[in-house]
Parts: sequence; C-alpha cells; structure tokens
Amino acid sequence: DAGVIQSPRHEVTEMGQEVTLRCKPISGHNSLFWYRQTMMRGLELLIYFNNNVPIDDSGMPEDRFSAKMPNASFSTLKIQPSEPRDSAVYFCASSWVTSGRRDIQYFGAGTRLSVL
Amino acid sequence: AQKVTQAQTEISVVEKEDVTLDCVYETRDTTYYLFWYKQPPSGELVFLIRRNSFDEQNEISGRYSWNFQKSTSSFNFTITASQVVDSAVYFCALSMNTGNQFYFGTGTSLTVIP
Repeated sequence: DAGVIQSPRHEVTEMGQEVTLRCKPISGHNSLFWYRQTMMRGLELLIYFNNNVPIDDSGMPEDRFSAKMPNASFSTLKIQPSEPRDSAVYFCASSWVTSGRRDIQYFGAGTRLSVL
Repeated sequence: AQKVTQAQTEISVVEKEDVTLDCVYETRDTTYYLFWYKQPPSGELVFLIRRNSFDEQNEISGRYSWNFQKSTSSFNFTITASQVVDSAVYFCALSMNTGNQFYFGTGTSLTVIP
C-alpha cells in the first residue's frame, strides 16, 4: 500500500488567497484526520471523519477553514481566505476504527503551507 | 480529561549513549491505548509502537524498548546505543476506547551527536 498521500508537499501563497490541501487515505481505512503542527501549539487535531462523515470539527480554528470527504478515498482541507498565521505543516492521517478498538493512525508526509 | 505530558523538551546525547524519553499520561478510563511516533527531520510522522492498557509487558524491538507502568501512568521509551539516525522529535500519544481522538504530547526533540 502506498500509505497516506498528501498534496502538495509545499504550498506558498499570498494572504487572501484560497488554499486547498488534498489527502488520499490508506485504502480500507474508515477514519480520516486532519492535523496542524506549529512550533507554538504542537500537533492539533482540526477535524476527523468516520465513514466520510465529519464527526468532530471542534478543532477547526474558524470559518475560514472547511473540510470535505466526498468519498472514502479523498479529502480536502480548504482555507479561504488564507492568513499568515495559517502557516504551518498540515498532516492527514487515516485509521481503521471500530467499536472497542483503536487502531494505529498512519500519517501522510504533510503539506508545509507558507502564507506571505 | 485526557492529557499526555512529555516534560523533556530537548535532549542531546553523544552517539552510543542510552537515552530515555519520558511520557506521562492522564485518563480516568480503564481501557486506553498508548503510542509512540517518530518525526525525523524530513517531517513525516512514523509509527513506532502501540500498547493497550491491559498489557503492561515491556517491549523490546532492536535498540528500542518501552516501559509501561500503570502505577505511575508512564510509558517511557529507551533507545540503547543511540545513533545519529535516531535524531528526531518523538511524540507520545493517548487514545481512548471511545471517540476517535489521539491526544499527543508536545514532543521531545532528541539530538544524537556523533
């Protein structure tokens, strides 16, 4: 299996522009997670999906952030409009989650976002 | 509330020394899972180990070993005979049996000096 695939690996954009980050989870996994990593706040969970349904988006910083999972093999995280404080590394992870079992979360390589 | 504490922010050791990374967790649940991840300079997060709360047996994998002690709510990670390639940030994480969240510690940055 190719693992969790994120694109792009690096994104440089100007303040006010729309940014879309993409993620392809591991085939067969039923849960997908978006994290943000910064020096100040460490790893933060933004949102997670189970069976393509958003379960908890309480970590999404504000309305400028939105995430979708139209099918089991694809998810997007969109920031519109972007701001310099959104600069961070964004990770996508996937896992197989069932009642009574917490499986390993496998992470993608991350997208390093710089908003100028 | 769930929480993971990695009190050591940065550690430097000389190659071939042993080093232990501390992880202390908090939870009231009786069923939970503990994890360690490695984040090398290239940036990806690599899974190292998972432990469930009912298995306190220590584990060894090559130069890596893990000491799980429920009595002190700790899940410490030891690298024996450290190598330069071990230089990375190491994260400890906690997951509950209900809900899908992982609770990550703030990470310990390990530098192994040749």
